[in-house]
Amino acid sequence: KAGVTQTPRYLIKTRGQQVTLSCSPISGHRSVSWYQQTPGQGLQFLFEYFSETQRNKGNFPGRFSGRQFSNSRSEMNVSTLELGDSALYLCASRLGTASTDTQYFGPGTRLTVL
Amino acid sequence: QKEVEQNSGPLSVPEGAIASLNCTYSDRGSQSFFWYRQYSGKSPELIMSIYSNGDKEDGRFTAQLNKASQYVSLLIRDSQPSDSATYLCAPNNRLAFGKGNQVVVIP
Repeated sequence: KAGVTQTPRYLIKTRGQQVTLSCSPISGHRSVSWYQQTPGQGLQFLFEYFSETQRNKGNFPGRFSGRQFSNSRSEMNVSTLELGDSALYLCASRLGTASTDTQYFGPGTRLTVL
Repeated sequence: QKEVEQNSGPLSVPEGAIASLNCTYSDRGSQSFFWYRQYSGKSPELIMSIYSNGDKEDGRFTAQLNKASQYVSLLIRDSQPSDSATYLCAPNNRLAFGKGNQVVVIP
């Protein structure tokens, strides 16, 4: 079974631009979560989607948004990029929302904002 | 106080020794915890889950959850160079992760 895939793997943008990242979960998984990872702050939760509905949202500004499609694929968008948005963005999928569901991470998208 | 704290700095252990990692949490509603291992340049992977108070052993790994004291620990026995990585803990809601403990196993 294919793992979680994320595209693109690397991205370089300039301040003020916007970016869209994509995540395809493991087949059959309906829950997708997004995280931002930086050396200083560690792994921080952005949002979680289940069956196209946002279930939880982390403490990030409104410039960060996401959505999930009927096939469970998810996208996140960051508008008006800032230098501090440079990070590794990780997507994780799991079967459902049970606490026992194992969460599998994708390889991440490395975003650099210049 | 952050929801999940992993405060200790990099941990260097000789090969074959025991590495001990700790994680404290503030949400008393957290019922279970997960330990992830993240190699440099890679994404986290689940290595242990613990759902109740007490110890859980899986191979060379032992997780311990103490809900009264609000901490969870991970022991790595017979440490191997391949255990060199950053270890992250997270409660069952996975909305918060600790910053991680870096482990370096010295051959």
